[in-house]
Amino acid sequence: AQRVTQPEKLLSVFKGAPVELKCNYSYSGSPELFWYVQYSRQRLQLLLRHISRESIKGFTADLNKGETSFHLKKPFAQEEDSAMYYCALSGSTGANNLFFGTGTRLTVIP
Amino acid sequence: SQTIHQWPATLVQPVGSPLSLECTVEGTSNPNLYWYRQAAGRGLQLLFYSVGIGQISSEVPQNLSASRPQDRQFILSSKKLLLSDSGFYLCAQSAGGVRNEQFFGPGTRLTVL
Repeated sequence: AQRVTQPEKLLSVFKGAPVELKCNYSYSGSPELFWYVQYSRQRLQLLLRHISRESIKGFTADLNKGETSFHLKKPFAQEEDSAMYYCALSGSTGANNLFFGTGTRLTVIP
Repeated sequence: SQTIHQWPATLVQPVGSPLSLECTVEGTSNPNLYWYRQAAGRGLQLLFYSVGIGQISSEVPQNLSASRPQDRQFILSSKKLLLSDSGFYLCAQSAGGVRNEQFFGPGTRLTVL
């Protein structure tokens, strides 16, 4: 069965400090991993996906199959990064279903 | 571009009353449609998904049901609400196939008293 774990419910960092939001997964096949973000009073939206291998808003995430992790990182946090972040997994079957973690609320302190 | 509408935005209902939440999408044809629930302190839980008109799959046993009467309309219903049905309900859509980005609606906040 698939599972996505985000161990931190809340994370606070100072502006300019590095930030890492942790995500671990469990899936028997070959998953695709995503990070979704919800800013205050906005809809949940895709931030990045591992298959794209791109940096979005300064964030990157590398899929580590050995550690079954997909941590989200940014070297210098900005105040506008404050939001709720969800890690999600899509398997190879099942109509594109996403399995979400419980989310991490990031607060960047000015 | 894809647009997703959900209504109502907020709803307060007594225990035992019926429920109908509606989701409509624009800008795409034959989308996959999804209903998620976010309960307090928990992540997003997939409730139902649909790959076409009249095709509904349930991910978890529950007090709720879903229907897709039209290609771009997805309805979440209950005959008798329970306290545990309170939560934030999100509708989402994606292109058909697997591993496509999902686009989310604004959500409905349901409080069952």
